Amino acid sequence: SQQGEEDPQALSIQEGENATMNCSYKTSINNLQWYRQNSGRGLVHLILIRSNEREKHSGRLRVTLDTSKKSSSLLITASRAADTASYFCATSPPNFGNEKLTFGTGTRLTIIP
Amino acid sequence: DGGITQSPKYLFRKEGQNVTLSCEQNLNHDAMYWYRQDPGQGLRLIYYSQIVNDFQKGDIAEGYSVSREKKESFPLTVTSAQKNPTAFYLCASRKSGATDTQYFGPGTRLTVL
Repeated sequence: SQQGEEDPQALSIQEGENATMNCSYKTSINNLQWYRQNSGRGLVHLILIRSNEREKHSGRLRVTLDTSKKSSSLLITASRAADTASYFCATSPPNFGNEKLTFGTGTRLTIIP
Repeated sequence: DGGITQSPKYLFRKEGQNVTLSCEQNLNHDAMYWYRQDPGQGLRLIYYSQIVNDFQKGDIAEGYSVSREKKESFPLTVTSAQKNPTAFYLCASRKSGATDTQYFGPGTRLTVL
């Protein structure tokens, strides 16, 4: 089952602009992660935020988590052409601990040079 | 794509034939996973294994089978019972006892003719 829904489904911005994508989920979580997938490739882990955290930074990435609204956002600042990819959120439900992740449907980001 | 290899990258099979997809990891991870990805969609969990000689069904296990005879290897067989097997298949692994982060292979694109 798909736990997360990303919004928007697709996003095109000019290089240098900031990109924001959102993830909503349905049930309680242990933590939430964001992954990137370049076309036709495997996924690469970007960042993990735990349910008791509200914001986390990693380089040009900023993730927020609002457990009351069951939502998260991923902000990529000063976008580059190399950021063109699909981005997925993935949640870890409390009852399964670390065993399973449930992925959202993804946001396809295109950076226009 | 880390220390996970999947082979082959592209696979073509005739309808009604079983086919086995390879997944090998040299990360010494205990847990391994198989996902299916359809165009424009997120990942759906087929099977996962937390330890050698043990595995559990995911959300869409029907028509698939797995084995986990070695820690490094987690092959997936797509059987003729799988009604719509054409998809992109991704293997992942995770270090038990650590975070939920999963490390993905490059994927195998299976096309059934």
